[in-house]
Amino acid sequence: QVQLVESGGGVVQPGGSLRLSCAASGFTFSSYGMHWVRQAPGKGLEWVAFIRYDGSNKYYADSVKGRFTISRDNSKNTLYLQMNSLRAEDTAVYYCAKDLSVGATTPEYFDYWGQGTLVTVSS
Amino acid sequence: AIQLTQSPSSLSASVGDRVTITCRASQGISSALAWYQQKPGKAPKLLIYDASSLESGVPSRFSGSGSGTDFTLTISSLQPEDFATYYCQQFNSYSALTFGGGTKVEIK
Repeated sequence: QVQLVESGGGVVQPGGSLRLSCAASGFTFSSYGMHWVRQAPGKGLEWVAFIRYDGSNKYYADSVKGRFTISRDNSKNTLYLQMNSLRAEDTAVYYCAKDLSVGATTPEYFDYWGQGTLVTVSS
Repeated sequence: AIQLTQSPSSLSASVGDRVTITCRASQGISSALAWYQQKPGKAPKLLIYDASSLESGVPSRFSGSGSGTDFTLTISSLQPEDFATYYCQQFNSYSALTFGGGTKVEIK
């Protein structure tokens, strides 16, 4: 069965950096695009970033463009999110999610989600 | 970016009720819309994609309809496990996937 397990969350000061990881299993990781989606405490869902199955294309929400970088290592079945210049408004649970369509070249839908990892940006 | 407006933001209903949630896009998105269910402390779950396609394993009491700018999620007979928050999501504008603000379905 598909499993996505995030790690790397924690408390970081404004302006700091953090790298999230998502270990994937139960499917052919190298065949699917992957996403990061976040949810601030008590708020709705916000898509953060997408990376194509082969890593050749990446898309970002305007709110994180230039500060966050999505990447993947298909040899390790792992997705990453490097977060720099963190702000208080980046405080959220961060989910990694698998795209629905095999071989998708642009982001579409999310059919499997991890349990999430909490990032708190506070001094 | 395309904005999605869900209504109502919350509703109270009883077990067995028929429930309808609407999602309106700020511009046409063809059928590029999904619906998700989220329970407290849990990750969202995909229910419907391409506006009306039922995800594998999702009960048939859930259905979706619409195209262009107006979409609906219908639960034909509300069950106890359906009390949750529901979100719509579009991908037509792939430079910025967006979610609706959510609809919380509570027990009357």
